[in-house]
Amino acid sequence: AQSVSQHNHHVILSEAASLELGCNYSYGGTVNLFWYVQYPGQHLQLLLKYFSGDPLVKGIKGFEAEFIKSKFSFNLRKPSVQWSDTAEYFCAGFMNSGGYQKVTFGTGTKLQVIP
Amino acid sequence: NAGVTQTPKFQVLKTGQSMTLQCAQDMNHNSMYWYRQDPGMGLRLIYYSASEGTTDKGEVPNGYNVSRLNKREFSLRLESAAPSQTSVYFCASSEARRGNQPQHFGDGTRLSIL
Repeated sequence: AQSVSQHNHHVILSEAASLELGCNYSYGGTVNLFWYVQYPGQHLQLLLKYFSGDPLVKGIKGFEAEFIKSKFSFNLRKPSVQWSDTAEYFCAGFMNSGGYQKVTFGTGTKLQVIP
Repeated sequence: NAGVTQTPKFQVLKTGQSMTLQCAQDMNHNSMYWYRQDPGMGLRLIYYSASEGTTDKGEVPNGYNVSRLNKREFSLRLESAAPSQTSVYFCASSEARRGNQPQHFGDGTRLSIL
């Protein structure tokens, strides 16, 4: 079955540290991948998306993600985090298998940035 | 732009009571979704509607029903609420009939079942 895995459940960083959050998917066909962010008490917002083309995708607020097909990964990165990046981050994937019409979300990674 | 609007924002129910959560979007999107969010479990799809007039079950449909009233509105009904349905419920919409476009989320409904 198609799935999306986020192995880091809770990450604590100091301001200015670099960030990398892992995301792996299990599907051998075409995938569309997304990262969403949920700030405390708010709804999910799209950070970035990958459909095709350049595997390095740049999103809002200085975030980027790299699609590595051979590793089934789509890790989220940011060179220098800020306190305002404290939030929960969700990876999601749409796996194109004809009748399968839904996006699958990972279980989320809570990021806490310490000033 | 309002985007996706959910009502109510908070609700407390007693076990066995019924309730309808309302969702409306003003982006002329085809697809609409209902999720529940529980700690450590991410978002789980309850039901979705790929287009007006169609609805399909997601991962956790038991205990819920939905209605796609028109293109704008997609409601979620709990017929007989149970404590296990205590959760935060999010409605989302997407432009495409298939799930391969970004979803736009509402602010959520925090539901407690006593």
